[in-house]
Amino acid sequence: GAVVSQHPSRVICKSGTSVKIECRSLDFQATTMFWYRQFPKQSLMLMATSNEGSKATYEQGVEKDKFLINHASLTLSTLTVTSAHPEDSSFYICSAGKDRRDFGPGTRLTVT
Amino acid sequence: AQKVTQAQTEISVVEKEDVTLDCVYETRDTTYYLFWYKQPPSGELVFLIRRNSFDEQNEISGRYSWNFQKSTSSFNFTITASQVVDSAVYFCALREGGGNKLTFGTGTQLKVEL
Repeated sequence: GAVVSQHPSRVICKSGTSVKIECRSLDFQATTMFWYRQFPKQSLMLMATSNEGSKATYEQGVEKDKFLINHASLTLSTLTVTSAHPEDSSFYICSAGKDRRDFGPGTRLTVT
Repeated sequence: AQKVTQAQTEISVVEKEDVTLDCVYETRDTTYYLFWYKQPPSGELVFLIRRNSFDEQNEISGRYSWNFQKSTSSFNFTITASQVVDSAVYFCALREGGGNKLTFGTGTQLKVEL
């Protein structure tokens, strides 16, 4: 069964609002989790590495103030898209696992 | 810098045909890990295999097989007797031994038709 879960699977929000996405490791502890973004018919682009108990590491070009990441426990990381705009509409996927690297089912965000 | 190339953007086959998805990688590390994932229309990435750079032995899992060739920096994936349920986007990915980031290829869309 799934070892990484994400919630919600789909969210529609209005421009200017904030949206929080949760990523959980189900049967293992994850000191590190990864957040990806995927546009239609494109590959996965790493946004940031979430580190339990410390600040996330963001990839070049990713606005840390816009995409807030919190990794408060060994099984939970959250990504908050602040002041969302239509261009933030995308498929967001989290990942965890040292060796195998499993992925969550993804969250489809639509900003209207 | 690490890089993964999947030159085949889209492949269409008829059910029961064999199909090979190509993956070529670049890295300066001697220790690295290669992955294949399947992404069906639902969007979830399904882990298929992880191979480390010191293990060149080819692997077979049911109808799936992988051919790892360090000499050509390739890690190709073959599906034997393809089925409609194999229709998906397949991603090859690389993680260098000294890091924890996965670098993905652009993916190959496989369409298996009746």
